[in-house]
Amino acid sequence: GEDVEQSLFLSVREGDSSVINCTYTDSSSTYLYWYKQEPGAGLQLLTYIFSNMDMKQDQRLTVLLNKKDKHLSLRIADTQTGDSAIYFCAESSFMDTGRRALTFGSGTRLQVQP
Amino acid sequence: DTAVSQTPKYLVTQMGNDKSIKCEQNLGHDTMYWYKQDSKKFLKIMFSYNNKELIINETVPNRFSPKSPDKAHLNLHINSLELGDSAVYFCASSQAVDTQYFGPGTRLTVL
Repeated sequence: GEDVEQSLFLSVREGDSSVINCTYTDSSSTYLYWYKQEPGAGLQLLTYIFSNMDMKQDQRLTVLLNKKDKHLSLRIADTQTGDSAIYFCAESSFMDTGRRALTFGSGTRLQVQP
Repeated sequence: DTAVSQTPKYLVTQMGNDKSIKCEQNLGHDTMYWYKQDSKKFLKIMFSYNNKELIINETVPNRFSPKSPDKAHLNLHINSLELGDSAVYFCASSQAVDTQYFGPGTRLTVL
């Protein structure tokens, strides 16, 4: 099956930039996503990038996509304590049935120190 | 005006019982999903329905039976609950293969 890999933990100081990295395997992925999960809460769509783009910026969030290396990153500028959460990378990949579904990484727990 | 809603939010039950989780979306989407998140936060697709038709069934035990009475609803019924079924179950919806929007999750605890 397809794999999406992320580092498990990242700790930064408030005001610094955070960079969360992700690698994926399905070269046919059309969209790649970043979801945020706060403690005890559901998944919130943060942003996504279409596979023919290299970069997407949305306020404090910057997504970089290196399609050749199948590497995706999420940069959060001026990280705040409210950004503390688990961040999931996901790719839209084909299942055995030939249908698309999201394959998630293991999630990166971001801890922001005051 | 919640987009994707699930009930109940918490479910605590004994082994061997049968339980259902309900999901509704008011986004007008034609595709709905169930995901399972285990204790290590790993998320995995279980089922997907498109226009009430099952299109993805990812090696889930037969004890799990999804039912879609209409495009806006996808319920999950679980028979003979086991300890290993304890997890958070997320419903999601999308328009075809576009961006998926998730519900708040149902935390199932099997004792």
